Amino acid sequence: GESVGLHLPTLSVQEGDNSIINCAYSNSASDYFIWYKQESGKGPQFIIDIRSNMDKRQGQRVTVLLNKTVKHLSLQIAATQPGDSAVYFCAENRRDSGGGADGLTFGKGTHLIIQP
Amino acid sequence: NAGVTQTPKFQVLKTGQSMTLQCAQDMNHNSMYWYRQDPGMGLRLIYYSASEGTTDKGEVPNGYNVSRLNKREFSLRLESAAPSQTSVYFCASSLIGDGYTFGSGTRLTVV
Repeated sequence: GESVGLHLPTLSVQEGDNSIINCAYSNSASDYFIWYKQESGKGPQFIIDIRSNMDKRQGQRVTVLLNKTVKHLSLQIAATQPGDSAVYFCAENRRDSGGGADGLTFGKGTHLIIQP
Repeated sequence: NAGVTQTPKFQVLKTGQSMTLQCAQDMNHNSMYWYRQDPGMGLRLIYYSASEGTTDKGEVPNGYNVSRLNKREFSLRLESAAPSQTSVYFCASSLIGDGYTFGSGTRLTVV
C-alpha cells in the first residue's frame, strides 16, 4: 500500500552540527507535507510544511526540501541544540476524491540524539 | 488559546469496559481527527470528521466509534476495550486540511 517512511530510525549528531533527516513517500497524489517534532510524553509539534508546488522552504534554523521526482522529503536542522532531541516524523496530507483532506499519513519517525 | 484539549490524560480500563475520549478545539477548525500511536511507531488515523455532521473511517477504525458533537467537539468511543487498544490517542484539528494542531494525548491501558 501507499505509505510514508523514513530511512533511519536513529540519528546521532554533535551539538552545533547540522542534522539531516530523510523521508520517502510513495503517494504521488499527496500535495502537502509536514514535519513534526515529538518530545517524550507530548503530542506532535508542527515544525515546517511544504506544498507540492514548491521544492524548498525555510524556517528558523530548519529547511525542508521536496524532491517529487524521487518522492523524497528531507528536514535540515542547522546548528543543532540539546533541545532538538526528539523524534521527528514526516507526514503527508491525503486528499479524497472530492478534494477534501482525509487526514495525515505518518512515517515511523527518526529519533534525533544530540551528543554534547 | 487552549488549542486542542483532550480528556482524560490517563486511563486504565479492564477488558470489555467502555469509555469515551473527549476532544475539543477552540480554533474554529472545520476538520477533526483521532489518531493512535503505538510504541516506536508513527500515528495512525482511526477516524476523521472533515466537517461538522460528517465522519469517515481512517486506517484503523475497528473497535471504535466517533461522534462529531458540534464544530468544537469530536469524541472517540471504545465500546468493549481490548488489550490491543492499549495506546496513546491523539486528537487533532485543521482548518481545511492544513495547519494541523494536535492535543497532548490520552494514554490508555487496557488490562
